[in-house]
Amino acid sequence: GDSVTQMEGPVTLSEEAFLTINCTYTATGYPSLFWYVQYPGEGLQLLLKATKADDKGSNKGFEATYRKETTSFHLEKGSVQVSDSAVYFCALSGGGSQGNLIFGKGTKLSVKP
Amino acid sequence: DVKVTQSSRYLVKRTGEKVFLECVQDMDHENMFWYRQDPGLGLRLIYFSYDVKMKEKGDIPEGYSVSREKKERFSLILESASTNQTSMYLCASSFLPPRSGEYTDTQYFGPGTRLTVL
Repeated sequence: GDSVTQMEGPVTLSEEAFLTINCTYTATGYPSLFWYVQYPGEGLQLLLKATKADDKGSNKGFEATYRKETTSFHLEKGSVQVSDSAVYFCALSGGGSQGNLIFGKGTKLSVKP
Repeated sequence: DVKVTQSSRYLVKRTGEKVFLECVQDMDHENMFWYRQDPGLGLRLIYFSYDVKMKEKGDIPEGYSVSREKKERFSLILESASTNQTSMYLCASSFLPPRSGEYTDTQYFGPGTRLTVL
């Protein structure tokens, strides 16, 4: 079945460092791909999405490109801030007709000043 | 903005109690979902519903049931709470895919309920 694999954390970076969180997927068909972010004590918020191959999603300085040839959707940010400390989830729209999402296990990011 | 609300942020219950977790969304979404989130396991789908009075089992439905009497409200029920159901519970909603044409499959999440069963 469809699945998402993302790099395990925790990831600890200094402020202004470059961030990459790897995400790869297996899927039949042509899913949409998502990154969600969960700040401490809160629910998940959509960070960005891409709906077809070669699309780039971007928001708040974060970017991810839908790469069909490598089945990847890596999250990047050029210069992280302390306020980016959170758990990041990669997800894809699953099979079936009900709009389910399949999530990775999450990557915890801590940014130190 | 889409708003998904959950009845409690924190809840403490005793083993064997019947527990109700309520979720309400204000965007007229057809789909509603209940997940539990545990460290190292990510989000696991418990149940979802794509219409009033309709429900489908997710990956871990054992020990849970759900109710959807109105489109905007989706309830998760723990018939007899156990300590292994201590977890963070997240509700989400989204549009149902139409039979043709484009749509957004983005899910919108509530703030979560942290349930502790003693």
